[in-house]
Amino acid sequence: DAKTTQPPSMDCAEGRAANLPCNHSTISGNEYVYWYRQIHSQGPQYIIHGLKNNETNEMASLIITEDRKSSTLILPHATLRDTAVYYCIVPRSARQLTFGSGTQLTVLP
Amino acid sequence: EPEVTQTPSHQVTQMGQEVILRCVPISNHLYFYWYRQILGQKVEFLVSFYNNEISEKSEIFDDQFSVERPDGSNFTLKIRSTKLEDSAMYFCATWQAGGDTQYFGPGTRLTVL
Repeated sequence: DAKTTQPPSMDCAEGRAANLPCNHSTISGNEYVYWYRQIHSQGPQYIIHGLKNNETNEMASLIITEDRKSSTLILPHATLRDTAVYYCIVPRSARQLTFGSGTQLTVLP
Repeated sequence: EPEVTQTPSHQVTQMGQEVILRCVPISNHLYFYWYRQILGQKVEFLVSFYNNEISEKSEIFDDQFSVERPDGSNFTLKIRSTKLEDSAMYFCATWQAGGDTQYFGPGTRLTVL
């Protein structure tokens, strides 16, 4: 898997956008960027993934830079329930995920 | 929305005992996985399973571990002789061929005393 680098922790005010960065400078041309989150030792939850175009779904948006060496996950209106560890993963295969330490996002009231 | 389920939610066992953790995958998913997470540490891949055989396994998945799909629905992880260091959350995940992502179950907390 391509190595990813994320800040260990971030805070965000409730109702504001949370922007979580991820560096993946060794990503290959056909590797996707996946984002998962884990709320307090629950099972990891898929959020979104992308290859090179920006993606949006009901949970979040994913912005991938043109050179694909970094990406940003955006939660447009963070709520207290979004407090979790967020993982950026660039797997060799969707069939095996390697989790790093992720970013602990704390949404503050 | 279909979900992966796991039983039990919490298992307490004595060191040296055998445990079996169970997972019911999403019905049309054909790839199955076990991951574990020791308290305060990263989620670690253990094994992947497809077409009734192991596809990949990590260094953690030694001879004490085994997986099977005994009845075509459940997917199980057996630890033959538990050690204290096996205490962890164990997550099952499933993936649909041609799908985009793995779906994780809620986990089983294994405590070895």
